Amino acid sequence: GENVEQHPSTLSVQEGDSAVIKCTYSDSASNYFPWYKQELGKGPQLIIDIRSNVGEKKDQRIAVTLNKTAKHFSLHITETQPEDSAVYFCAASEGFQKLVFGTGTRLLVSP
Amino acid sequence: GAVVSQHPSRVICKSGTSVKIECRSLDFQATTMFWYRQFPKQSLMLMATSNEGSKATYEQGVEKDKFLINHASLTLSTLTVTSAHPEDSSFYICSARDFGPGGYTFGSGTRLTVV
Repeated sequence: GENVEQHPSTLSVQEGDSAVIKCTYSDSASNYFPWYKQELGKGPQLIIDIRSNVGEKKDQRIAVTLNKTAKHFSLHITETQPEDSAVYFCAASEGFQKLVFGTGTRLLVSP
Repeated sequence: GAVVSQHPSRVICKSGTSVKIECRSLDFQATTMFWYRQFPKQSLMLMATSNEGSKATYEQGVEKDKFLINHASLTLSTLTVTSAHPEDSSFYICSARDFGPGGYTFGSGTRLTVV
């Protein structure tokens, strides 16, 4: 089955800096790669996603890149703000079957 | 956008009792719902996939007799934790496949504490 690894587990940045979180997946059949933000005591919220027929997608300060050959995908957050502090999860699925989540990255943005 | 409502948000129960958690899709029909369990500072682990009108598919290692899942309508799936024990204390999250741009919509989670 699919296995998703995520790094780093924690990431501390200064406000205004960029943050990059990386994930690798094992199943070449996976074709949907979402990123979620989870705040304490709440469910995950989708922040951006990418499908396997696209290499990069951007939404304001957030971007995701996908390298299908290497089975890597990454989340890029620019101009970080304190409210970006949360736990971020990557995930992968094939054809909207079950999502397999990465281990999570705790992002702390200091003012 | 698609909304999934999960209730209760918090529940405390005594050991040996059963607890039911509801997951409702408010503005769309969800033929498939997913139930996850999350321990503190850990990732979401899929427990089971719930399909409307059929038996749920449980992940390896999840006790189907302990975690009863019912998906009797296109807008409601329930998870019942039977004969709860302190080790069942966790954060339970449901998700529905909404076929929209996002694909999946998550509930707000239920914090279960068994005392």
